[in-house]
Amino acid sequence: EVQLVESGGGLVKPGGSLRLSCAASGFTFSSYSMNWVRQAPGRGLEWVSSIRTSSTYIYYADSVKGRFTISRDNAKNSLYLQMNSLRAEDTAVYYCARAQRVTYCTTTTCNNYYYYYYMDVWGKGTTVTVSS
Amino acid sequence: DIQMTQSPSTLSASVGDRVTITCRASQRISGWLAWYQQKPGKAPNLLIYKASSLESGVPSRFSGSGSGTEFTLTISSLQPDDFATYYCQQYHSYPWTFGQGTKVEIK
Repeated sequence: EVQLVESGGGLVKPGGSLRLSCAASGFTFSSYSMNWVRQAPGRGLEWVSSIRTSSTYIYYADSVKGRFTISRDNAKNSLYLQMNSLRAEDTAVYYCARAQRVTYCTTTTCNNYYYYYYMDVWGKGTTVTVSS
Repeated sequence: DIQMTQSPSTLSASVGDRVTITCRASQRISGWLAWYQQKPGKAPNLLIYKASSLESGVPSRFSGSGSGTEFTLTISSLQPDDFATYYCQQYHSYPWTFGQGTKVEIK
């Protein structure tokens, strides 16, 4: 069974740090891009960060850039989110999500192409509360 | 950033109704759009990807359509299990963005 299990959430004071983990099982973790998405209480979904298979490409939302660091350990089938300088507005449930890759060919011979990714498997989430 | 706008924000419907949710992108995203269902206290669940492709295991009463900037999610005959919040999300370019959500309530 494909599964993602987040951990590491908790209560932290403003300015503090927290490291989230996501343990993957049931699929070849090293073959998939991975993502973090969060949801503040009573609010909608917000994409946070993405990392490619070999960590060559990494993306962040502006709201966390410079404070959060995404990383992965393919040998341990694990994804991480190091969160520093936490603010009250970072309070949310944090979800880990796997991304499926789609190849889009711009020519019939596919000698020029792009990759697109969508999130197909999500963990149950871990709650982060930033409060004094 | 690409803004995603869903309408309506809330929808009241009865079991058996045909339900349509609209999602508009602030710029063209081709068909790089996903739809998710989320129930209270649960993680989102992928329903549709590439605007109209049904994810494996998702009931066929769910369908998606659209391209460019206008997209729709349709539930052909609403079932009790379908009362939830639905989100669209573009994955055309970073930062990925979600619509604000549409809550489907029991009428």
